[in-house]
Amino acid sequence: EVQLVESGGGLVQPGRSLRLSCVASGFKFDDYAMDWVRQAPGKGLEWVSGISWNSGSVDYADSVKGRFTISRDNAKNSLYLQMNGLRPEDTALYFCAKHPGRYVSGWDHFDNWGQGSLVTVSS
Amino acid sequence: QSVLTQPPSVSGAPGQRVAISCTGSGSNIGAGYDVHWYQQLPGTAPKLLIYGSSNRPSGVPDRFSGSKSATSASLAITGLQAEDEADYYCQSFDSSLSAVIFGGGTKLTVL
Repeated sequence: EVQLVESGGGLVQPGRSLRLSCVASGFKFDDYAMDWVRQAPGKGLEWVSGISWNSGSVDYADSVKGRFTISRDNAKNSLYLQMNGLRPEDTALYFCAKHPGRYVSGWDHFDNWGQGSLVTVSS
Repeated sequence: QSVLTQPPSVSGAPGQRVAISCTGSGSNIGAGYDVHWYQQLPGTAPKLLIYGSSNRPSGVPDRFSGSKSATSASLAITGLQAEDEADYYCQSFDSSLSAVIFGGGTKLTVL
């Protein structure tokens, strides 16, 4: 059974940093691209970032470009999101999500999701 | 304002059929990109419902079906059940934004 477990969320002041982690199990992690998707309280889904199986390709939403960095450690079956310069509008539940293939493709869907890690940016 | 437009809410009685639309443009659905659908039950993570516009993952009942034409897509649910009450999201890709995009979501109420 595929399992994705996020951690690292919490309350942080504007301008500060936070690092989210997602530990994967139940599948061969290094065979799949992975993404982060967020959901602000009471709002819809927003794609944040994606990374290919070997970290060779990464992509970001314009809203986080230059502030967030996605990475992965295949030896640890882990996906990360380093979030710098946090803003109140970054407040959201952050989900990690698995692609059906190795590459970040515009044709792809997300076939498995974690339960999310809540990030609250407030002074 | 989402690039993909969905109705904020739809409703239907148990046993009835409902459809949820997802309207895009020439840089996303109209450019040929697939549309995918997710179901989000209250307080839970999204779950893949339809991928590639009309394909169901294993375990998804055939009461759920998807279709796509021109610049829009649709999710149909037949034989409505109380447990179908959830938020539904469409997803595609936009070549102008070079980004994955989601619809704003539709809340389904089973009367």
